[in-house]
Amino acid sequence: GAVVSQHPSWVICKSGTSVKIECRSLDFQATTMFWYRQFPKQSLMLMATSNEGSKATYEQGVEKDKFLINHASLTLSTLTVTSAHPEDSSFYICSQNGEVETQYFGPGTRLLVL
Amino acid sequence: GQNIDQPTEMTATEGAIVQINCTYQTSGFNGLFWYQQHAGEAPTFLSYNVLDGLEEKGRFSSFLSRSKGYSYLLLKELQMKDSASYLCAVRDHRDDKIIFGKGTRLHILP
Repeated sequence: GAVVSQHPSWVICKSGTSVKIECRSLDFQATTMFWYRQFPKQSLMLMATSNEGSKATYEQGVEKDKFLINHASLTLSTLTVTSAHPEDSSFYICSQNGEVETQYFGPGTRLLVL
Repeated sequence: GQNIDQPTEMTATEGAIVQINCTYQTSGFNGLFWYQQHAGEAPTFLSYNVLDGLEEKGRFSSFLSRSKGYSYLLLKELQMKDSASYLCAVRDHRDDKIIFGKGTRLHILP
Protein backbone atom coordinates (compact mmCIF):
# COMPACT_ATOMS: atom_id res chain seq x y z
CA GLY A 1 0.00 0.00 0.00
CA ALA A 2 0.92 3.67 -0.19
CA VAL A 3 3.61 4.88 2.14
CA VAL A 4 3.27 8.58 1.40
CA SER A 5 0.10 10.45 0.56
CA GLN A 6 -0.45 13.93 -0.81
CA HIS A 7 -3.45 16.17 -0.74
CA PRO A 8 -4.89 17.57 -2.87
CA SER A 9 -4.06 15.57 -5.95
CA TRP A 10 -4.74 18.56 -8.12
CA VAL A 11 -5.77 22.15 -7.63
CA ILE A 12 -6.75 25.07 -9.83
CA CYS A 13 -6.52 28.54 -8.35
CA LYS A 14 -6.55 32.17 -9.35
CA SER A 15 -3.35 34.16 -9.60
CA GLY A 16 -2.45 35.77 -6.29
CA THR A 17 -3.98 33.15 -4.03
CA SER A 18 -2.06 30.80 -1.76
CA VAL A 19 -2.21 27.05 -2.04
CA LYS A 20 -1.30 24.51 0.65
CA ILE A 21 -0.17 21.01 -0.24
CA GLU A 22 0.01 18.32 2.42
CA CYS A 23 2.38 15.39 2.45
CA ARG A 24 1.70 12.61 4.94
CA SER A 25 3.85 9.68 5.91
CA LEU A 26 1.54 6.72 6.40
CA ASP A 27 3.70 3.84 7.50
CA PHE A 28 6.44 5.33 9.59
CA GLN A 29 7.76 8.53 11.03
CA ALA A 30 9.78 10.82 8.84
CA THR A 31 12.11 13.37 10.36
CA THR A 32 13.03 14.46 6.87
CA MET A 33 10.91 14.90 3.79
CA PHE A 34 11.84 16.30 0.41
CA TRP A 35 9.83 18.52 -1.89
CA TYR A 36 10.31 18.37 -5.65
CA ARG A 37 8.83 20.29 -8.53
CA GLN A 38 8.49 19.00 -12.06
CA PHE A 39 7.61 21.07 -15.10
CA PRO A 40 6.22 19.36 -18.22
CA LYS A 41 8.72 17.11 -19.97
CA GLN A 42 11.42 17.95 -17.44
CA SER A 43 12.91 16.01 -14.58
CA LEU A 44 12.29 16.41 -10.87
CA MET A 45 13.97 19.43 -9.34
CA LEU A 46 14.63 19.34 -5.61
CA MET A 47 13.16 22.44 -4.01
CA ALA A 48 13.80 21.95 -0.33
CA THR A 49 14.41 19.55 2.49
CA SER A 50 11.79 19.62 5.19
CA ASN A 51 13.10 18.92 8.69
CA GLU A 52 10.76 18.03 11.55
CA GLY A 53 10.84 20.66 14.25
CA SER A 54 13.27 22.96 12.50
CA LYS A 55 13.56 25.20 9.47
CA ALA A 56 13.54 23.76 6.01
CA THR A 57 16.66 24.01 3.89
CA TYR A 58 16.10 25.36 0.43
CA GLU A 59 17.96 24.68 -2.78
CA GLN A 60 19.67 27.51 -4.55
CA GLY A 61 17.24 29.63 -6.50
CA VAL A 62 14.14 28.58 -4.54
CA GLU A 63 12.48 31.47 -2.69
CA LYS A 64 11.84 30.45 0.89
CA ASP A 65 9.31 33.24 1.40
CA LYS A 66 7.29 32.09 -1.58
CA PHE A 67 7.39 28.35 -0.85
CA LEU A 68 6.67 28.01 2.85
CA ILE A 69 7.40 24.62 4.35
CA ASN A 70 6.17 23.46 7.72
CA HIS A 71 7.07 20.09 9.22
CA ALA A 72 5.38 20.22 12.57
CA SER A 73 5.02 16.51 13.16
CA LEU A 74 6.78 13.32 12.19
CA THR A 75 4.03 12.39 9.77
CA LEU A 76 3.10 15.68 8.12
CA SER A 77 4.92 18.23 6.02
CA THR A 78 3.15 21.04 4.21
CA LEU A 79 4.21 23.21 1.29
CA THR A 80 2.40 26.50 0.81
CA VAL A 81 2.79 28.31 -2.48
CA THR A 82 2.13 31.91 -1.54
CA SER A 83 0.71 34.42 -4.00
CA ALA A 84 0.76 31.83 -6.75
CA HIS A 85 1.29 32.93 -10.33
CA PRO A 86 0.90 31.06 -13.62
CA GLU A 87 4.62 30.28 -13.72
CA ASP A 88 4.17 28.31 -10.48
CA SER A 89 1.93 25.85 -12.30
CA SER A 90 3.72 22.55 -11.96
CA PHE A 91 3.65 19.03 -10.54
CA TYR A 92 4.74 19.07 -6.89
CA ILE A 93 5.92 15.79 -5.36
CA CYS A 94 7.08 15.01 -1.86
CA SER A 95 9.19 12.08 -0.78
CA GLN A 96 10.76 10.51 2.25
CA ASN A 97 13.62 8.08 2.73
CA GLY A 98 12.69 4.55 3.67
CA GLU A 99 15.17 1.81 4.26
CA VAL A 100 18.67 2.44 2.96
CA GLU A 101 17.90 1.77 -0.63
CA THR A 102 14.49 3.25 -1.04
CA GLN A 103 12.85 6.58 -1.28
CA TYR A 104 9.09 6.76 -1.23
CA PHE A 105 7.32 9.32 -3.37
CA GLY A 106 3.88 10.73 -2.86
CA PRO A 107 1.48 10.58 -5.79
CA GLY A 108 2.06 14.26 -6.56
CA THR A 109 -0.08 17.38 -6.68
CA ARG A 110 -0.77 19.10 -9.96
CA LEU A 111 -1.14 22.85 -9.56
CA LEU A 112 -2.63 25.07 -12.23
CA VAL A 113 -2.65 28.79 -11.62
CA LEU A 114 -4.90 30.82 -13.86
CA GLY B 1 27.76 19.93 -6.37
CA GLN B 2 26.36 17.22 -8.55
CA ASN B 3 26.06 16.77 -12.29
CA ILE B 4 24.08 13.95 -13.86
CA ASP B 5 23.90 13.28 -17.60
CA GLN B 6 21.69 10.90 -19.52
CA PRO B 7 20.34 10.92 -23.08
CA THR B 8 17.19 12.94 -23.63
CA GLU B 9 15.35 10.43 -25.77
CA MET B 10 15.74 6.90 -27.05
CA THR B 11 13.68 4.67 -29.31
CA ALA B 12 13.58 0.89 -29.31
CA THR B 13 11.45 -1.91 -30.71
CA GLU B 14 9.08 -4.14 -28.80
CA GLY B 15 10.83 -7.34 -27.76
CA ALA B 16 14.29 -5.85 -28.09
CA ILE B 17 16.88 -4.78 -25.50
CA VAL B 18 17.80 -1.19 -24.68
CA GLN B 19 20.53 0.28 -22.49
CA ILE B 20 20.14 3.73 -20.97
CA ASN B 21 23.40 5.26 -19.79
CA CYS B 22 23.96 7.71 -16.99
CA THR B 23 27.14 9.50 -15.99
CA TYR B 24 27.49 11.49 -12.82
CA GLN B 25 29.85 13.71 -10.90
CA THR B 26 29.36 14.12 -7.20
CA SER B 27 31.49 14.94 -4.20
CA GLY B 28 29.66 12.63 -1.79
CA PHE B 29 28.31 9.54 -3.53
CA ASN B 30 26.00 7.31 -1.53
CA GLY B 31 24.06 5.32 -4.05
CA LEU B 32 22.48 5.59 -7.48
CA PHE B 33 18.81 5.05 -8.24
CA TRP B 34 16.83 4.39 -11.36
CA TYR B 35 13.17 5.35 -11.48
CA GLN B 36 10.48 4.91 -14.08
CA GLN B 37 7.96 7.65 -14.59
CA HIS B 38 4.88 7.53 -16.78
CA ALA B 39 3.40 10.83 -17.90
CA GLY B 40 1.39 12.51 -15.17
CA GLU B 41 2.43 10.07 -12.47
CA ALA B 42 4.99 10.04 -9.67
CA PRO B 43 8.23 8.10 -10.20
CA THR B 44 8.35 4.44 -9.27
CA PHE B 45 11.48 2.81 -7.92
CA LEU B 46 13.32 0.41 -10.22
CA SER B 47 16.78 -0.19 -8.79
CA TYR B 48 19.48 0.92 -6.40
CA ASN B 49 23.24 0.46 -6.72
CA VAL B 50 25.80 1.47 -4.15
CA LEU B 51 28.55 -1.06 -4.92
CA ASP B 52 30.14 -1.73 -8.30
CA GLY B 53 28.55 -4.38 -10.44
CA LEU B 54 25.32 -5.55 -11.92
CA GLU B 55 22.01 -5.85 -10.11
CA GLU B 56 19.42 -7.92 -11.92
CA LYS B 57 15.72 -7.75 -11.22
CA GLY B 58 13.54 -9.51 -13.73
CA ARG B 59 13.62 -7.77 -17.11
CA PHE B 60 15.52 -4.83 -15.65
CA SER B 61 19.19 -4.72 -14.69
CA SER B 62 21.31 -1.88 -13.43
CA PHE B 63 25.08 -1.54 -13.48
CA LEU B 64 27.38 0.76 -11.54
CA SER B 65 31.04 1.72 -11.84
CA ARG B 66 31.92 4.17 -9.10
CA SER B 67 35.43 4.79 -10.40
CA LYS B 68 34.02 5.86 -13.76
CA GLY B 69 30.99 7.67 -12.40
CA TYR B 70 28.86 5.57 -14.73
CA SER B 71 25.70 3.54 -14.56
CA TYR B 72 23.33 1.98 -17.02
CA LEU B 73 19.83 0.57 -16.92
CA LEU B 74 19.24 -2.41 -19.16
CA LEU B 75 15.71 -3.30 -20.20
CA LYS B 76 15.13 -6.67 -21.85
CA GLU B 77 12.16 -8.07 -23.75
CA LEU B 78 10.74 -4.61 -24.17
CA GLN B 79 6.99 -4.18 -23.88
CA MET B 80 4.84 -1.29 -25.02
CA LYS B 81 4.14 -0.42 -21.38
CA ASP B 82 7.85 0.29 -20.93
CA SER B 83 7.35 3.54 -22.86
CA ALA B 84 8.12 6.06 -20.12
CA SER B 85 10.78 8.36 -18.80
CA TYR B 86 13.67 6.78 -16.94
CA LEU B 87 15.33 8.90 -14.30
CA CYS B 88 18.84 8.40 -13.01
CA ALA B 89 19.32 9.84 -9.52
CA VAL B 90 22.28 10.09 -7.15
CA ARG B 91 22.22 10.38 -3.37
CA ASP B 92 24.69 12.48 -1.44
CA HIS B 93 25.97 10.92 1.80
CA ARG B 94 26.34 14.27 3.51
CA ASP B 95 22.66 15.22 3.54
CA ASP B 96 20.78 12.25 2.04
CA LYS B 97 19.50 14.43 -0.80
CA ILE B 98 18.61 12.61 -3.98
CA ILE B 99 19.29 14.64 -7.10
CA PHE B 100 17.77 13.61 -10.39
CA GLY B 101 19.10 13.71 -13.91
CA LYS B 102 16.92 15.18 -16.63
CA GLY B 103 15.51 11.79 -17.53
CA THR B 104 15.46 9.73 -20.70
CA ARG B 105 12.19 9.42 -22.60
CA LEU B 106 12.00 5.94 -24.03
CA HIS B 107 9.69 5.31 -26.98
CA ILE B 108 8.81 1.72 -27.80
CA LEU B 109 7.78 0.95 -31.36
CA PRO B 110 5.61 -2.07 -32.24
